[in-house]
Amino acid sequence: DAGVTQSPTHLIKTRGQQVTLRCSPKSGHDTVSWYQQALGQGPQFIFQYYEEEERQRGNFPDRFSGHQFPNYSSELNVNALLLGDSALYLCASSLRYYEQYFGPGTRLTVT
Amino acid sequence: AQSVTQLDSQVPVFEEAPVELRCNYSSSVSVYLFWYVQYPNQGLQLLLKYLSGSTLVKGINGFEAEFNKSQTSFHLRKPSVHISDTAEYFCAVSEWHSGAGSYQLTFGKGTKLSVIP
Repeated sequence: DAGVTQSPTHLIKTRGQQVTLRCSPKSGHDTVSWYQQALGQGPQFIFQYYEEEERQRGNFPDRFSGHQFPNYSSELNVNALLLGDSALYLCASSLRYYEQYFGPGTRLTVT
Repeated sequence: AQSVTQLDSQVPVFEEAPVELRCNYSSSVSVYLFWYVQYPNQGLQLLLKYLSGSTLVKGINGFEAEFNKSQTSFHLRKPSVHISDTAEYFCAVSEWHSGAGSYQLTFGKGTKLSVIP
């Protein structure tokens, strides 16, 4: 059983560019949450998707947006990248209210 | 709003010694509690969880944690650590948000456990 998968593993972008990160949830899971983990910090909640709708959002600007597809996979989009957006982006999936399982993350570096 | 405080940012301990990683939380409602472990350059792996019932929770790799509601704590313990336990450990609390109809997971800043040979 494949766990949560994320792509790409690493990427480097320039300030002002846009980026799309992808996540496939664990089989049987219907809810996807995204987190940003800056170096030396705990993960910070960005938003959560269920039934293709954004259900909750953390304290992140509108530059951060997302989408969930009918197969439950999800994308995180970040526009107008800033240096401060450099971080590990983690996707977690769950079956509705139950515990979240995390993917390996995407390391984004903004130069 | 919930918050999580991990009282120690770094904990060095000798191999085969016991260890306790401390976690306190604040919340106005009932919560679920979790400990995750993160090895270098990897995602988070669930160690254990408290949802309800017995306050002593056992997890993987010989770890256990005790939920103390009166002290709003959820400390993680292991009686004898191994080199392979060197990693960063995150305490997290999940609180119900009625407006959104879902739970939100909030993490502490993490504790780096270093096991010394």
